[in-house]
Amino acid sequence: NAGVTQTPKFRILKIGQSMTLQCTQDMNHNYMYWYRQDPGMGLKLIYYSVGAGITDKGEVPNGYNVSRSTTEDFPLRLELAAPSQTSVYFCASSYSGTSGGNEQFFGPGTRLTVL
Amino acid sequence: AQSVAQPEDQVNVAEGNPLTVKCTYSVSGNPYLFWYVQYPNRGLQFLLKYITGDNLVKGSYGFEAEFNKSQTSFHLKKPSALVSDSALYFCAVRFGRTGANNLFFGTGTRLTVIP
Repeated sequence: NAGVTQTPKFRILKIGQSMTLQCTQDMNHNYMYWYRQDPGMGLKLIYYSVGAGITDKGEVPNGYNVSRSTTEDFPLRLELAAPSQTSVYFCASSYSGTSGGNEQFFGPGTRLTVL
Repeated sequence: AQSVAQPEDQVNVAEGNPLTVKCTYSVSGNPYLFWYVQYPNRGLQFLLKYITGDNLVKGSYGFEAEFNKSQTSFHLKKPSALVSDSALYFCAVRFGRTGANNLFFGTGTRLTVIP
């Protein structure tokens, strides 16, 4: 299993440009998540999905959009890039289940710089 | 509201000595608590979790954590530190509606093990 894969690894954007960060998992997890990691700030949840066709906002959704057309893929879209979106972005996935205590599996991250 | 705090940005310990990385939490209801580790330029890796049961939880790479309900703490410990344990450690607590497994992360503690 490849686990959670993310592309690209690095990207530099100009202010106002748009891009899509790709995330794919091959573990058949229902739950998927997008986080951003800023220095000294830990990880903040941007969006999450509990299954294909279902998405919801996390703590910091402004400036982002997501879609979940398949179980495997959960792309994150930046429409009008701003310097405040310079960050490292992590995608994660986890099993669903009634226990609620399933750990998340993380991708390697995408380092995005907006200039 | 759920929250988690890691009071130390940096912990230094000599190789072979015991290590502790501190975490305190605030949640309504029963807490689901997690520890993750992040090596440079990598995604987060799951170490261990507390859902219910024994207060002492054992995890990967010889790490363990003790859940203390009265002190609302979940400190990460290891009896004998290795240089390879040097990394960024995150404590996390589950929040959000049942089943979504959303995590709220602390700001991280950088552990340096000195040879």
